[in-house]
Amino acid sequence: GEDVEQSLFLSVREGDSSVINCTYTDSSSTYLYWYKQEPGAGLQLLTYIFSNMDMKQDQRLTVLLNKKDKHLSLRIADTQTGDSAIYFCAETPGADGLTFGKGTHLIIQP
Amino acid sequence: DTGVSQDPRHKITKRGQNVTFRCDPISEHNRLYWYRQTLGQGPEFLTYFQNEAQLEKSRLLSDRFSAERPKGSFSTLEIQRTEQGDSAMYLCASSENTEAFFGQGTRLTVV
Repeated sequence: GEDVEQSLFLSVREGDSSVINCTYTDSSSTYLYWYKQEPGAGLQLLTYIFSNMDMKQDQRLTVLLNKKDKHLSLRIADTQTGDSAIYFCAETPGADGLTFGKGTHLIIQP
Repeated sequence: DTGVSQDPRHKITKRGQNVTFRCDPISEHNRLYWYRQTLGQGPEFLTYFQNEAQLEKSRLLSDRFSAERPKGSFSTLEIQRTEQGDSAMYLCASSENTEAFFGQGTRLTVV
């Protein structure tokens, strides 16, 4: 995960927007991904963005990509208690597997 | 098809024993990946199959680890002579093109 950096924790109030940030290093990554992991579970694919796009919206989720700065963000609108989880950013350095960050723990305050 | 299935979900083994995990990918997905995840870390890539061919292996995959996908469908990951450092969650994922879907993982505890 050294090539993908994320903040470890983010705390938000229920109903507010959450913005989870990620920086990556491999400019050749074709796709960038966001996954969600709940305790003791596998990873759930939330969304992904093609590297020639700068924004993608999917219901409450908005992904922003700044390719010049190699910065990716995930915005969750109207954050709910069910959004509490670890969120992983991942890049695709080649045709092979994903390179993940260490994950951001999203904590929801009532 | 209910997604990627892994078996067992949990495995406790004594140090030095061999263990084998199974992954059933989503039907017709030609790519299958194995990852390892330790506490507080993101998943780390171990190996990758395109159909039955093992195309890439990480440096993390020591010679005690072997993976197979004999008919291009399910895959097995075997760890021989387990060590305490092998304790982790082993995740399998499959994909057809851009989206990789993960199973629930097998949590291995070596005591």
